[in-house]
Amino acid sequence: GEDVEQSLFLSVREGDSSVINCTYTDSSSTYLYWYKQEPGAGLQLLTYIFSNMDMKQDQRLTVLLNKKDKHLSLRIADTQTGDSAIYFCANQGGKLIFGQGTELSVKP
Amino acid sequence: DVKVTQSSRYLVKRTGEKVFLECVQDMDHENMFWYRQDPGLGLRLIYFSYDVKMKEKGDIPEGYSVSREKKERFSLILESASTNQTSMYLCASAAGAGEQYFGPGTRLTVT
Repeated sequence: GEDVEQSLFLSVREGDSSVINCTYTDSSSTYLYWYKQEPGAGLQLLTYIFSNMDMKQDQRLTVLLNKKDKHLSLRIADTQTGDSAIYFCANQGGKLIFGQGTELSVKP
Repeated sequence: DVKVTQSSRYLVKRTGEKVFLECVQDMDHENMFWYRQDPGLGLRLIYFSYDVKMKEKGDIPEGYSVSREKKERFSLILESASTNQTSMYLCASAAGAGEQYFGPGTRLTVT
């Protein structure tokens, strides 16, 4: 079946940039999403990108999409301790499929 | 703002008990979803509903059933809880395909 893959953990220092990567298999994507889950909470939509775009910037967040390689990334500039969370990418193709989530740990 | 609420944040049940998890959304969304979240496995779709009284199996429906008698309410039922159903359960709603809005989750422990 269709799949979305992410690495499970990422650790960065406060003030550095974080890059969270995601690959997917369903090429019939319409949208790709990044969700954030803080400890003990549900998922909140962080940002999304249309499949016909290759970049989207929103304040400290930059989303890059390489459709040829089916690769999506989320860059967080000037990472803060409040950015510590689990980040899920999700691919809206025939159905919405989530990755396993990347746990971002920000060390002071 | 879209609001999705779930009936309990934490629940502890015994093996064999019947368990009801309720979800309510206030945005008149057609689609509602139940996921379970386990470490390293991400979100796995249990059931979804695209209209009142309509339901579709997701990827892991075994051991679960659902009920949608009203548009705003989607219930997940564990007919006979087992320890392997200990998990975080997340409800979501959406207007058509696309962005899903999530509730805060219910952490269920089955002992």
